[in-house]
Formats: sequence, structure tokens, C-alpha cells
Amino acid sequence: GAGVSQTPSNKVTEKGKYVELRCDPISGHTALYWYRQSLGQGPEFLIYFQGTGAADDSGLPNDRFFAVRPEGSVSTLKIQRTERGDSAMYLCASSLTRGSTDTQYFGPGTRLTVL
Amino acid sequence: KNEVEQSPQNLTAQEGEFITINCSYSVGISALHWLQQHPGGGIVSLFMLSSGKKKHGRLIATINIQEKHSSLHITASHPRDSAVYICAVNSQGGSEKLVFGKGTKLTVNP
Repeated sequence: GAGVSQTPSNKVTEKGKYVELRCDPISGHTALYWYRQSLGQGPEFLIYFQGTGAADDSGLPNDRFFAVRPEGSVSTLKIQRTERGDSAMYLCASSLTRGSTDTQYFGPGTRLTVL
Repeated sequence: KNEVEQSPQNLTAQEGEFITINCSYSVGISALHWLQQHPGGGIVSLFMLSSGKKKHGRLIATINIQEKHSSLHITASHPRDSAVYICAVNSQGGSEKLVFGKGTKLTVNP
């Protein structure tokens, strides 16, 4: 079956622009996670969805970042007024119920570059 | 100090060698994960454990809850094992938020 997919695989944008990153989780997985990974670092947690609701958004760095999952499947991470420091690999993962008890399956990531 | 520390940061081995990667954490946890990341970014979950030991093929993961320490072992290492290995923990209480170490870059030479 299909794994977690993310689009686009690469996104280059200019400082100040708005970007949307998409995540398609494995069908039937209720939990969805967004992470950000800078070069040479481990991933950092951004937000966790259980179904349609954001159960923990404590990792979002500021109010320029927002994520939605309106139908409990596909999720979109939205970044307003992008800054050069937002450049990173954005990773999405899903798990059947909860990642603290189930395996998380990661997507290939979207590499965001802000010029 | 990071909540999750890994050592070594970089590790180079010859094919066939026994590999050990260490992870120490400073918080109470409900689960610990070992992940593998290949060049290009793809991450694969290797193990999730909360006690004892797990084995899958040539990979073995152990955890000592009292000492807040876990190890990942690779037996009979192979060049295809070359990757970054990342330790991550769920905080106690069943938090869904994963806290990651910086990773250990393993290179296995033929």
C-alpha cells in the first residue's frame, strides 16, 4: 500500500512569501505529525493532529506557522511571511492511533528554501 | 543541555564490525524510538521500546529505564547500514510530542 507522501518535494520561495506544504498520510491513520529538521540536526516537533483537531501545537515556532487537517486525512502546513530561517526539511509522519504506542511512518519530506 | 543526547556523533566502521550507538535522556519517558535516516531525508522507524530489549535481524535495541539510557547495536555491519541513526523519546504521561537527539552518522566501509 502507499506510504506517507508529501508535496512538493522541493520548494524555493522568496522571503516574505506564503507557502503551503501538503501531507497525505497512510489511509486510516488517525494521528498525523509535522516536524522540521535543519541541516545537521535532529527533527523538531511542530504539531500533532488526532483526527481533525490539533491535539498539540506547542512546537509551532510562532504565529506565522499554521496547520490544518479539515477532513482528518490530508494535512497542510502553512507558513506566512517566510523568513530565511524557515529554510529546512519539513517532515510529516502518521500512525494508526497514537505515536507513543504505534510506529510512526514518515514521508520523504519537503525541502523548503527561502531566499 | 539537550533532553536527548547521542554518542558518538560520527562513527566509521569496517564491514563486519559490531556497532554500538548510545542514547541518554534526562526526562521520564513513556517510550523510546530508534530511527534510521538515509541521505535524502527518508526516515524509517526501527524500534519503539519502553523496557528491556528488542531484536530485528542484525539490529538490537536495549533500554535501561533506571539509568535513562538506551543502546542500538548492529551486528555484522554492512555498507548498506550507512545512515544517520536517531534516538527520540515520548515524555512520560503518553505525550505524543517526540523529542529527538541530533543523530549519529554511521559510515560502514567495505
